[in-house]
Amino acid sequence: AQSVAQPEDQVNVAEGNPLTVKCTYSVSGNPYLFWYVQYPNRGLQFLLKYITGDNLVKGSYGFEAEFNKSQTSFHLKKPSALVSDSALYFCAVRENTGFQKLVFGTGTRLLVSP
Amino acid sequence: GAGVSQSPSNKVTEKGKDVELRCDPISGHTALYWYRQSLGQGLEFLIYFQGNSAPDKSGLPSDRFSAERTGGSVSTLTIQRTQQEDSAVYLCASSSPGPGNTIYFGEGSWLTVV
Repeated sequence: AQSVAQPEDQVNVAEGNPLTVKCTYSVSGNPYLFWYVQYPNRGLQFLLKYITGDNLVKGSYGFEAEFNKSQTSFHLKKPSALVSDSALYFCAVRENTGFQKLVFGTGTRLLVSP
Repeated sequence: GAGVSQSPSNKVTEKGKDVELRCDPISGHTALYWYRQSLGQGLEFLIYFQGNSAPDKSGLPSDRFSAERTGGSVSTLTIQRTQQEDSAVYLCASSSPGPGNTIYFGEGSWLTVV
């Protein structure tokens, strides 16, 4: 079965500093990896995905993620954090067989302080 | 509309009553998903529809939960005899078929059972 782990419940970073939100995955076959963000009282918004190709994927709002096959990781990064980036971030892997549903990690709360 | 539309956005119901939650997916998307997010919890898969295929109901938590999708488009999630533990945000999502395609989420239906 495919799974995703987000080892940090919360990440704290000062505005202007770089941020990293960690994600590791377990899949059989090719991984299809996604990051979503959830602002308070809102649904999930798609940030970026890795399907194939370049290991560095760029997405919305200046976020990027680095796919590392040997470490089975897909960490979310941003060079300079904004207070408005404070939200709940979910990493997910999409099943590549069968019903192809998204399997989510438990989420990481990002808190960016002024 | 351009995105996944869900209604109602908020619903307060009395314990024991039935509720219906509606989802209108992005036009042309044949895959439709329902997830549940309880307070402080992660995202729990409920059910998946793909075209005319039999749905994947493996995530439904009890037989009080059911869902249908009419005409390959709009879906309704029904919860019978609601319980307080059913209080959660119910998120609908849709995508084109294929694991590399992005799954887009609606804003959710916030259900409170009192």
